[in-house]
Amino acid sequence: DQQVKQNSPSLSVQEGRISILNCDYTNSMFDYFLWYKKYPAEGPTFLISISSIKDKNEDGRFTVFLNKSAKHLSLHIVPSQPGDSAVYFCAAGDAGNMLTFGGGTRLMVKP
Amino acid sequence: DVKVTQSSRYLVKRTGEKVFLECVQDMDHENMFWYRQDPGLGLRLIYFSYDVKMKEKGDIPEGYSVSREKKERFSLILESASTNQTSMYLCASSFRSASYNEQFFGPGTRLTVL
Repeated sequence: DQQVKQNSPSLSVQEGRISILNCDYTNSMFDYFLWYKKYPAEGPTFLISISSIKDKNEDGRFTVFLNKSAKHLSLHIVPSQPGDSAVYFCAAGDAGNMLTFGGGTRLMVKP
Repeated sequence: DVKVTQSSRYLVKRTGEKVFLECVQDMDHENMFWYRQDPGLGLRLIYFSYDVKMKEKGDIPEGYSVSREKKERFSLILESASTNQTSMYLCASSFRSASYNEQFFGPGTRLTVL
C-alpha cells in the first residue's frame, strides 16, 4: 500500500494562474517532506522542503503547506509559467535518510 | 556543480542477459540509492548503501543486486533481465546525517528488456 499518494496524475493550468499540487500520506512517523520536479529525460531535482514543526515554507514562487492533522501537503506555484511544466513528486522521510515518493503529478502550464 | 552520472542514458537488452548499471557521484556522499520509476508508481527504492561495501534492501529488491566497492560508485546488477524490469532507473546520493538532506539524482537510464 502506498504510504505517499498523489491522487491527481495530471493538472492543466493557464500561465499566470496558481497551480496547486496535492499529496497525502499515511505514515504518522514521517516528519520531513520534499517536492521534486522532473523534466523528461532528466533526473528529479529538489524544489522545496518542509519539516513537521512548520506548516508553511516559501521560496519565491513556490510555497509548500503542511497540514499534519490531515496528513496532507500541497505545493502552490504562483504565478505559473510554461517552464514549470514537468512531473512533480512529493516525498516523505522519517528518522533516517530514506525517502518515500508519491506517484507524481504531471503539470502542464498553457501559454 | 554537484554531479551524479549514470553510465548509459538508454539501454536495450534481451531477456536473460546480465545487465550492469553504474552510477558515480563526485560529492563525497555517504549514501547512494537506486530507484526505478514507472508511470503512476513514482520512484520505488530498489537498494541503498550508506557506506562502502554496505547495502540494504529497499522496497523492491527482487531480481536485483548491488555493489559498492568505492565510495563514489554504486552499481546495480540485473542477474538475468526480464521484460518486467523494463523501466527508468535513477541513481541518487546524499550525505548521511541526523537531519535531512536532499537526495541528488542522476539523469536516469531507460532500460528496455526485449
